[in-house]
Amino acid sequence: DADVTQTPRNRITKTGKRIMLECSQTKGHDRMYWYRQDPGLGLRLIYYSFDVKDINKGEISDGYSVSRQAQAKFSLSLESAIPNQTALYFCATSEEGGGPETDTQYFGPGTRLTVL
Amino acid sequence: AQSVTQPDIHITVSEGASLELRCNYSYGATPYLFWYVQSPGQGLQLLLKYFSGDTLVQGIKGFEAEFKRSQSSFNLRKPSVHWSDAAEYFCAVGIYTGNQFYFGTGTSLTVIP
Repeated sequence: DADVTQTPRNRITKTGKRIMLECSQTKGHDRMYWYRQDPGLGLRLIYYSFDVKDINKGEISDGYSVSRQAQAKFSLSLESAIPNQTALYFCATSEEGGGPETDTQYFGPGTRLTVL
Repeated sequence: AQSVTQPDIHITVSEGASLELRCNYSYGATPYLFWYVQSPGQGLQLLLKYFSGDTLVQGIKGFEAEFKRSQSSFNLRKPSVHWSDAAEYFCAVGIYTGNQFYFGTGTSLTVIP
């Protein structure tokens, strides 16, 4: 089984709808991240969480919210989806910071979201 | 501010030819450097990483990368490309404080027979 899973893998929704993307991990990592990928822009950080009680905004958090339900689960919500949120969304995990070897991030397979 | 530049948006090579993908970074200290590969419809897979020590690092699938501090570069190389190497390649800089990553915009690799 994959260490980092994302659901759904594909989603089409309409403008104004609320949607949630979910991420689960079995790696036992404390740190989790949400990125979006747009053509020509690479990956940009939306939110990150260092533990269940620690959530931080990333580079492009406007229009998004997150919930860290447990060490293994980190959800991304779009409260009112808009077309420019159409993108590929990735969840990632890493171990608690303790040196360079723990700073490697491991990615899920991605969720392709289309907002009409 | 930290940044990562991948100057080549798209590269086409013949199968069996050598490959070099360029990556330059901007950061005040020695960063942690990574290369990831994204195959079509897939997530990102770690190819290799550099933290310290030997500046030539070996990765999976026959890839290697060389850290050159004087040039602020971390170029990815492979001596003989296979058709299955066709993918998008991302260079990333890891900043220990805050444990954040900064990604380049990616280089798309096409391999022709």
